[in-house]
Amino acid sequence: DAKTTQPPSMDCAEGRAANLPCNHSTISGNEYVYWYRQIHSQGPQYIIHGLKNNETNEMASLIITEDRKSSTLILPHATLRDTAVYYCIVGKSSNDYKLSFGAGTTVTVRA
Amino acid sequence: AAGVIQSPRHLIKEKRETATLKCYPIPRHDTVYWYQQGPGQDPQFLISFYEKMQSDKGSIPDRFSAQQFSDYHSELNMSSLELGDSALYFCASRKGQEFSEQYFGPGTRLTVT
Repeated sequence: DAKTTQPPSMDCAEGRAANLPCNHSTISGNEYVYWYRQIHSQGPQYIIHGLKNNETNEMASLIITEDRKSSTLILPHATLRDTAVYYCIVGKSSNDYKLSFGAGTTVTVRA
Repeated sequence: AAGVIQSPRHLIKEKRETATLKCYPIPRHDTVYWYQQGPGQDPQFLISFYEKMQSDKGSIPDRFSAQQFSDYHSELNMSSLELGDSALYFCASRKGQEFSEQYFGPGTRLTVT
């Protein structure tokens, strides 16, 4: 699986958009970009995933560059409950696909 | 909506003892994953099962074994426990071939003294 690079930490003001970057320059054509988050010691939570088109759901938006070498997760209106470690993971969608968690981004939302 | 259930939530064992962690996936999910998260570390994949067969294996010690039963629940058996086995153990389930996302349970916190 391709490796990802994320900034170790970032702060965000409550109510503002949080833009979380991720580099995955070695991603292959059939690999997806997944985003999960982990709120302190809880089980990781799925946020969103995409292949090459931009995606949006009730939690976030995912913007993938045309060359697919990087992506940005956007939390449109951050709340204090969005404080968590955010993981960008690249991998295939298959029956036996495991998640390879790397060093994510610790996002702190401040009032 | 039903979630992944893990039991027990907390477990304290002594060195060299054995432990069994249980995971009950979301109904109709046929794939189960086990992850280990040590203190201050990121989750690491241990092992997975699809339709009751082992589908992938990560950095799982030989002292650990796991299986998935006919009702799709899974158990992680850990023997000769070491202090370094103290960690959060997460189980996740997924419905293969339909949805990509994994749904995680609340975890079992194992403390080895």
